[in-house]
Amino acid sequence: KAGVTQTPRYLIKTRGQQVTLSCSPISGHRSVSWYQQTPGQGLQFLFEYFSETQRNKGNFPGRFSGRQFSNSRSEMNVSTLELGDSALYLCASSLSPRLSSYNEQFFGPGTRLTVL
Amino acid sequence: KNQVEQSPQSLIILEGKNCTLQCNYTVSPFSNLRWYKQDTGRGPVSLTIMTFSENTKSNGRYTATLDADTKQSSLHITASQLSDSASYICVVDTGTASKLTFGTGTRLQVTL
Repeated sequence: KAGVTQTPRYLIKTRGQQVTLSCSPISGHRSVSWYQQTPGQGLQFLFEYFSETQRNKGNFPGRFSGRQFSNSRSEMNVSTLELGDSALYLCASSLSPRLSSYNEQFFGPGTRLTVL
Repeated sequence: KNQVEQSPQSLIILEGKNCTLQCNYTVSPFSNLRWYKQDTGRGPVSLTIMTFSENTKSNGRYTATLDADTKQSSLHITASQLSDSASYICVVDTGTASKLTFGTGTRLQVTL
């Protein structure tokens, strides 16, 4: 079974630009969550999608948005990029949002975004 | 405020030695506690998951303990290998992906 895949793996943008990151969950997984990871803050929750609906959103500005398609693939978009948006963006998938020992969350390799 | 604190921040040990990483949390409600291993530039990979009623869980050379009364957990690595060099992240789960509280991790380096 293929794992969670994220594209692109690396991205360099300049301030003010926008970026779209893609995540393909494990086959059969319908829940996708996005996280931002920086050295100072660690992993921070961005948003969670299940069955094409955003269920929860973290404490990030409106420049960060996302969506999920009918095949469970998800994209996140960051508009008007700032230097502080430089981070590793991780996507994770699970069968459903309710996590447990029987419903684990699996992470993708991440997209390394650098904003110059 | 829900928090997960890990110590030490970083650790260097010789190959073959044992080590113990600590995690203290103030998260409520509690569903389970997870330890993840994250290699540089990669996504985290789950090592162990423990519910409230479990006080120890092993995965090969990794053994996690949980004391729900004191809200403390530890991850013990036995006979370390160079491939154990990574960040180890403690995560407290309240039941949904949006409610995970992550520690900032312990950076472990295993040397010859």
